[in-house]
Amino acid sequence: GAVVSQHPSWVICKSGTSVKIECRSLDFQATTMFWYRQFPKQSLMLMATSNEGSKATYEQGVEKDKFLINHASLTLSTLTVTSAHPEDSSFYICSAKWATVTQYFGPGTRLTVL
Amino acid sequence: GQQLNQSPQSMFIQEGEDVSMNCTSSSIFNTWLWYKQDPGEGPVLLIALYKAGELTSNGRLTAQFGITRKDSFLNISASIPSDVGIYFCAGFQNAGNMLTFGGGTRLMVKP
Repeated sequence: GAVVSQHPSWVICKSGTSVKIECRSLDFQATTMFWYRQFPKQSLMLMATSNEGSKATYEQGVEKDKFLINHASLTLSTLTVTSAHPEDSSFYICSAKWATVTQYFGPGTRLTVL
Repeated sequence: GQQLNQSPQSMFIQEGEDVSMNCTSSSIFNTWLWYKQDPGEGPVLLIALYKAGELTSNGRLTAQFGITRKDSFLNISASIPSDVGIYFCAGFQNAGNMLTFGGGTRLMVKP
């Protein structure tokens, strides 16, 4: 149980384009989903927290107009990186939780912006 | 944001050896979680601790929630090559939904 999927697992795009990453909880309804960013050899950095049907809460320093988060249902959240630039290249990981504080992570999406 | 102090940062050990890593904080946490992350993958939950003093095992892994609520440790017994990866501790305080992560311990096992 508690399986979280992400799609795509990796994506390469040209600078200036937008990329959408999907995060799904496959066998549970997630009350809250989280989006993290991870640079090589570093820990996870929380970008934003989203609850179904409401606006995401962004961490300090994360541009909400650049990283659009939509949490349309209890099993799906999307992160759209708008007008991507090479510095946005990173490993993006989502996680989901329901009743307890334990978060279950997706497999991650590696974004490379050329 | 705040990070937990996780140590060691890396370990290079011989197969069969036991491993110990820990996380400490100046603040109290009410839940401690231990995750393992393989290269190019998301973190996978290993053990969750919800009560001070709790000692929980998962196969060769054992983790404890410190009695002061400010620390936790993870032990791996009789390490094998597939134990290689990065281990993260994470703690939860009562405010909000956020987990606070340690910096990770990179474990390398020599066959």
